[in-house]
Amino acid sequence: ELKVEQNPLFLSMQEGKNYTIYCNYSTTSDRLYWYRQDPGKSLESLFVLLSNGAVKQEGRLMASLDTKARLSTLHITAAVHDLSATYFCALLGGATNKLIFGTGTLLAVQP
Amino acid sequence: DAMVIQNPRYQVTQFGKPVTLSCSQTLNHNVMYWYQQKSSQAPKLLFHYYDKDFNNEADTPDNFQSRRPNTSFCFLDIRSPGLGDAAMYLCATSRAGGIEAFFGQGTRLTVV
Repeated sequence: ELKVEQNPLFLSMQEGKNYTIYCNYSTTSDRLYWYRQDPGKSLESLFVLLSNGAVKQEGRLMASLDTKARLSTLHITAAVHDLSATYFCALLGGATNKLIFGTGTLLAVQP
Repeated sequence: DAMVIQNPRYQVTQFGKPVTLSCSQTLNHNVMYWYQQKSSQAPKLLFHYYDKDFNNEADTPDNFQSRRPNTSFCFLDIRSPGLGDAAMYLCATSRAGGIEAFFGQGTRLTVV
């Protein structure tokens, strides 16, 4: 059974600081996704990671994938208040076509 | 232009009164998903279709049913909504073997 875990569940950080969110998963997968969700809204796609060693960056966010360790990271550089949201990783099980979400990380960036 | 459209955006239903949520897509994707997301929780997969093949999650209550009459449309039927079914319901699509998964704007269901 595909399981996806994130940590931390909650992250309070100051503006200008760096931090990393971790996403561990239990089985091999074809696709790993990172999403952002603002309160009351749907999911906004941030990154799709397809292969071992993949790294993608957009603004202050950078995502990476290590398929051997079954680990993806979302690194936040010099956080700003606008990054406050909940971040989810999600894994697509290739054989099943199931898209399973991690537990989510609520990020609060304090001025 | 929205590619995955959910209707309605907000739905209020009475306890025990059947309700249907709809999802349509213009992407011609063969995989469609329904998720339930309660406050401060992750989206939980209820079921998904691969073409016409229906795949129910083992822990999805029987109260939840789904229909996919054609590639473009998918419906979520809640036969007898309870207070615990109040949530955001999210529809998503993807193409098997493709890269992206696209989400609709969600339907916020309130049960009174």
